[in-house]
Amino acid sequence: DAKTTQPNSMESNEEEPVHLPCNHSTISGTDYIHWYRQLPSQGPEYVIHGLTSNVNNRMASLAIAEDRKSSTLILHRATLRDAAVYYCILTTDSWGKLQFGAGTQVVVTP
Amino acid sequence: DTGVSQNPRHKITKRGQNVTFRCDPISEHNRLYWYRQTLGQGPEFLTYFQNEAQLEKSRLLSDRFSAERPKGSFSTLEIQRTEQGDSAMYLCASSLGALPEAFFGQGTRLTVV
Repeated sequence: DAKTTQPNSMESNEEEPVHLPCNHSTISGTDYIHWYRQLPSQGPEYVIHGLTSNVNNRMASLAIAEDRKSSTLILHRATLRDAAVYYCILTTDSWGKLQFGAGTQVVVTP
Repeated sequence: DTGVSQNPRHKITKRGQNVTFRCDPISEHNRLYWYRQTLGQGPEFLTYFQNEAQLEKSRLLSDRFSAERPKGSFSTLEIQRTEQGDSAMYLCASSLGALPEAFFGQGTRLTVV
């Protein structure tokens, strides 16, 4: 499976946007980019996914580079409830078989 | 339906004992996954069912581990002769067919003493 690289941690102020980068330079043409997050003492939670085009949903936006070697998860207005570990994952066939890395710990300060 | 349910939430056992965990997926979800997560790490894939068939097992799943999903509904994960290294959070997830979202339970935290 292709691997991803994320910063260990990021800090943000409440109600400000958060841009979480993910590098996936060895991505293949059939790999989808998924983002999950894990709040403290919870199981992971799906955030968003995409293939080539930018995607928006109620939780976040996903911006995918034209060469697909990197992507950015955008939380438009961070709240204290967004404090979590965010995982960027590539997957090709089985959506639930996910290869998690260490993720990015997002800290939101009031 | 309130999501994926896992029981028990916590389990403390002595080394060498057998333990069994249960996962109830979201109704009608045909795919079910087990993961293991140790402190400070992301979850690691263990095994995957489509309906009652176990389609894939990670090499992390030693012969002391066995998982079943009778009738394609709930699933159990059994660990025989537990070792201290088995201490971890065991997570279950389910998904429906080709839909991209997997839903995770809150996990069962196992402590082997």
